[in-house]
Amino acid sequence: RKEVEQDPGPFNVPEGATVAFNCTYSNSASQSFFWYRQDCRKEPKLLMSVYSSGNEDGRFTAQLNRASQYISLLIRDSKLSDSATYLCVVNIRFQKLVFGTGTRLLVSP
Amino acid sequence: GAGVSQSPSNKVTEKGKDVELRCDPISGHTALYWYRQSLGQGLEFLIYFQGNSAPDKSGLPSDRFSAERTGGSVSTLTIQRTQQEDSAVYLCASSGRLGGQETQYFGPGTRLLVL
Repeated sequence: RKEVEQDPGPFNVPEGATVAFNCTYSNSASQSFFWYRQDCRKEPKLLMSVYSSGNEDGRFTAQLNRASQYISLLIRDSKLSDSATYLCVVNIRFQKLVFGTGTRLLVSP
Repeated sequence: GAGVSQSPSNKVTEKGKDVELRCDPISGHTALYWYRQSLGQGLEFLIYFQGNSAPDKSGLPSDRFSAERTGGSVSTLTIQRTQQEDSAVYLCASSGRLGGQETQYFGPGTRLLVL
């Protein structure tokens, strides 16, 4: 079983739609969690950290469920510019991050 | 510059040749990572340096791969006797604290093509 698993997609949604991605992790001792965004042929960039209480940044909401070992990302009012691959990232050991393979999002007009 | 830089940005080499890839981390970041990403695939962890500690080499795919970090700053990833399956984007990242958590910042990558 992979340490971090994501549905590869693609998720095809129209502009303005709400879309949600889930990610599961296998190590219950995982300490911290992030969502990164990667555009085509670009390096990954931090989108947001994920806190136990859930956190929101504009149209983006991240949640963590430690009991079920999954992380979610909700994007409201999707924009064309949201089209990218979203990477779930988990800190398994101190400072070493493990990346999922990513979920591809395509937002169409 | 303020970000992680890598060189070269692109490298084309012949099978069997050695290549060296360079990473300049963000100043002050003690942790440095190398990843590999093949076309359409996820990130594959290669190696991790933290300060003066022994590096975590658990992700290196074979003994043809090695990396060093001199003076706790610049790092070089060396691939000996390159093979076609080594073709990928090699990404370097350094980490620092953001909001109390260690956060990685990536360089633009080196695109390696082995013919």
